[in-house]
Parts: sequence; structure tokens; C-alpha cells
Amino acid sequence: NAGVTQTPKFQVLKTGQSMTLQCAQDMNHNSMYWYRQDPGMGLRLIYYSASEGTTDKGEVPNGYNVSRLNKREFSLRLESAAPSQTSVYFCASTRTDNYEQYFGPGTRLTVT
Amino acid sequence: QKEVEQDPGPLSVPEGAIVSLNCTYSNSAFQYFMWYRQYSRKGPELLMYTYSSGNKEDGRFTAQVDKSSKYISLFIRDSQPSDSATYLCAPGGDSSYKLIFGSGTRLLVRP
Repeated sequence: NAGVTQTPKFQVLKTGQSMTLQCAQDMNHNSMYWYRQDPGMGLRLIYYSASEGTTDKGEVPNGYNVSRLNKREFSLRLESAAPSQTSVYFCASTRTDNYEQYFGPGTRLTVT
Repeated sequence: QKEVEQDPGPLSVPEGAIVSLNCTYSNSAFQYFMWYRQYSRKGPELLMYTYSSGNKEDGRFTAQVDKSSKYISLFIRDSQPSDSATYLCAPGGDSSYKLIFGSGTRLLVRP
């Protein structure tokens, strides 16, 4: 099992460009999450999907959109990137009935 | 006030020392108390967790929760250089299945 995979690993964007971060899990988990991690700020929840077909905002959703494509895949889109979105982005997944979240390796995004 | 507070460190100890990592939280509804370990430039990995109050031991690691004082601890016995990482506490359990992460404590174990 690959667990949680994320693509790309690194990305550099110019201000105003758009991109989609991809996440997939092969653990048959129902819930999936997108976080961003900034120095001194810990992990902050951007959006989550409790089950296929549902998405909800987290703590810092502004500037992002998500799509739960199917049970395995959950994508994060930046429509018009800003320097403030420079961060490391992590995807995670869990079964619906517990809190054991498993994380992907992350995407390092720089917006210039 | 943040929901979860964690001293950022860094905490530097010699190999073999007992390490104590701590968090405080404000939401009394939390029932699950997770600890994640994150190596540099890697994703967080689940280390262990406790449910409600009490202790849980796993090898050299012991997780402890005191719900009356809203205090979470992780103890590492016989610390090794390979334990050098950032440790994040993450309570949850207010029915939303979300975790609230502390900012992490960076630990350095010197050989």
C-alpha cells in the first residue's frame, strides 16, 4: 500500500497563476483533509471532506477550492496564487469513526 | 488564546536522557489526544494516542493526559539521536473528526 500520495512534490508559481494539488489514498478511508504548514504556525486545516460528495471549510479556506473526485482522491485548487500562499501543503485521510489521520509527504509551494 | 499551545523549543538533550514534551488545550470536549512525529521535510507520522484521561505506553514512549488541567504530555525514555524531530500534539473529539494541531516542539538528541 502506498498510503497517501501527493503530487507534485515541489512547485513554483508566479502571482496570479493557478494550479491544482492532487492527493490520493489507497486505505479505503472515508475522510480526507488538506492542511498548510507554516513556520511557527503548526498545521492549519484548509478544507476537509468527511465523506465522498461532501466538503467543508476549515480554519483557513480563503483563496482555495477543493474537489472530492471520488473516495480515493481529494484535490486542492489555487485559482489565483498569492505570495501569502507560499507554504507546505499536506493531505491526510482517516476512517470516519476515528481520529487516526495519516499524512502524505507534502507539496512545497512557492509563490513569487 | 490558541486552542492548543505547545512550546516550540528547540529542546536539546544528551542521548539517553528522559524527554518531556507538553501541550495545553482549552476545549474540554476533546477526548482523543494524538502525538505526531515529523522529521525534517517529511509528512507527520502518527506516533501514538490516548483516549480520555490516563496513560498509554508504547516501548520508550508514554503519553499522558490530565483532563482536569487540560494538559497533555509525551515522555521519551532513553532518548536516541533518531528521536530528533518535531513533535506535534493534536487533540480532537468534539464530534467533528477534526484534529487541532499544536505548533510543534523541535527536539534534538545529541550523541
